[in-house]
Amino acid sequence: EDKVVQSPLSLVVHEGDTVTLNCSYEVTNFRSLLWYKQEKKAPTFLFMLTSSGIEKKSGRLSSILDKKELFSILNITATQTGDSAVYLCAVDRITRILYNQGGKLIFGQGTELSVKP
Amino acid sequence: EAQVTQNPRYLITVTGKKLTVTCSQNMNHEYMSWYRQDPGLGLRQIYYSMNVEVTDKGDVPEGYKVSRKEKRNFPLILESPSPNQTSLYFCASSRRLQRGEKEKLFFGSGTQLSVL
Repeated sequence: EDKVVQSPLSLVVHEGDTVTLNCSYEVTNFRSLLWYKQEKKAPTFLFMLTSSGIEKKSGRLSSILDKKELFSILNITATQTGDSAVYLCAVDRITRILYNQGGKLIFGQGTELSVKP
Repeated sequence: EAQVTQNPRYLITVTGKKLTVTCSQNMNHEYMSWYRQDPGLGLRQIYYSMNVEVTDKGDVPEGYKVSRKEKRNFPLILESPSPNQTSLYFCASSRRLQRGEKEKLFFGSGTQLSVL
């Protein structure tokens, strides 16, 4: 059975700390791994990762994928209270192999990050 | 403004009374999908659609129906809602997934459904 597991489920840090969020997966026909940030409403896209070892970076956030060990990490440096959110990891699976088309996303449970002033 | 619009935002209903949650996107996206979000379980995919008249089951399709008669609309239908379908529902869309293309899902604002 395909699954995506995130850890920790919940994390409380102080402003300025660095955090690492983990996402491990067991998925057939892997296509890509995606990270989203969910505040009060709908998730917003952060990163998409398809290749091992290539770091994606956006400001204080960065992410990397290890396709051999089947995990990804999301790093946030110098955290701010505005980083408080649920961070979701999702894996896109190829559903039509001939066309390398994805579509079937499976999400992890999410990591709830709370950054205190 | 590019957006995915879901309606209603909140809905309280009773067991067995058919309901439809609408979803519309104005970005000409081929791909649309529905998710439900429950505490401790994260987002789970209900159905998705790669294009008009093409729909596929996600991981939790039981008790739901969808249709994709037009590109912009992807309604979620609960023919006979039950209390275990009480959840937060999200609709999402993106451009058609192709090799190497970045996938960015645009999510609607969510529909909080309570089935009594």
